[in-house]
Amino acid sequence: SQKIEQNSEALNIQEGKTATLTCNYTNYSPAYLQWYRQDPGRGPVFLLLIRENEKEKRKERLKVTFDTTLKQSLFHITASQPADSATYLCALDVRASKIIFGSGTRLSIRP
Amino acid sequence: KAGVTQTPRYLIKTRGQQVTLSCSPISGHRSVSWYQQTPGQGLQFLFEYFSETQRNKGNFPGRFSGRQFSNSRSEMNVSTLELGDSALYLCASSLAGQGLTEAFFGQGTRLTVV
Repeated sequence: SQKIEQNSEALNIQEGKTATLTCNYTNYSPAYLQWYRQDPGRGPVFLLLIRENEKEKRKERLKVTFDTTLKQSLFHITASQPADSATYLCALDVRASKIIFGSGTRLSIRP
Repeated sequence: KAGVTQTPRYLIKTRGQQVTLSCSPISGHRSVSWYQQTPGQGLQFLFEYFSETQRNKGNFPGRFSGRQFSNSRSEMNVSTLELGDSALYLCASSLAGQGLTEAFFGQGTRLTVV
């Protein structure tokens, strides 16, 4: 069956360092991959979408890579700040307009 | 522009009752997706509506149903509530479909079944 795994449930890093989150998937070939941020008690907020034919996408301090051979996406936050502390979710389309979410990685940035 | 609005924000129901949740998407968005979020299962896809038609469906029992109106507002209904239905229910609106375009989530409705 289709499966998405985010490498760790929680990640704790020091302010100023680069946070790297991993999303691995099996048993399908998505055309799109998305990353969301979710704060406690709130709905997820869309961050980035990357297509299968794109290797990398950037937005300010965020960078996403998509390796369809490895079936993996990496999400980087450079120069991390305590305000970046949140749960980050990756999501893949199973078919057009239906997506499946990973379980999320809870990122904590300590001052 | 106004964001996605979900009502009510909080709800407490008794087992066996039914409940209706509402989602008003961003103006101009025709796709509305619904999700259930629990600590144990994460975010799980319920269904997606586009122009009043259900386009995709997740693996939930028939007790979970939905509909979309001509103004794109959507409702989901859960009948014969079970304790395990306690969750945060989220809707997301997008122009063409969540996998294809940026999606915007509402704040969610926190349902507690007692």
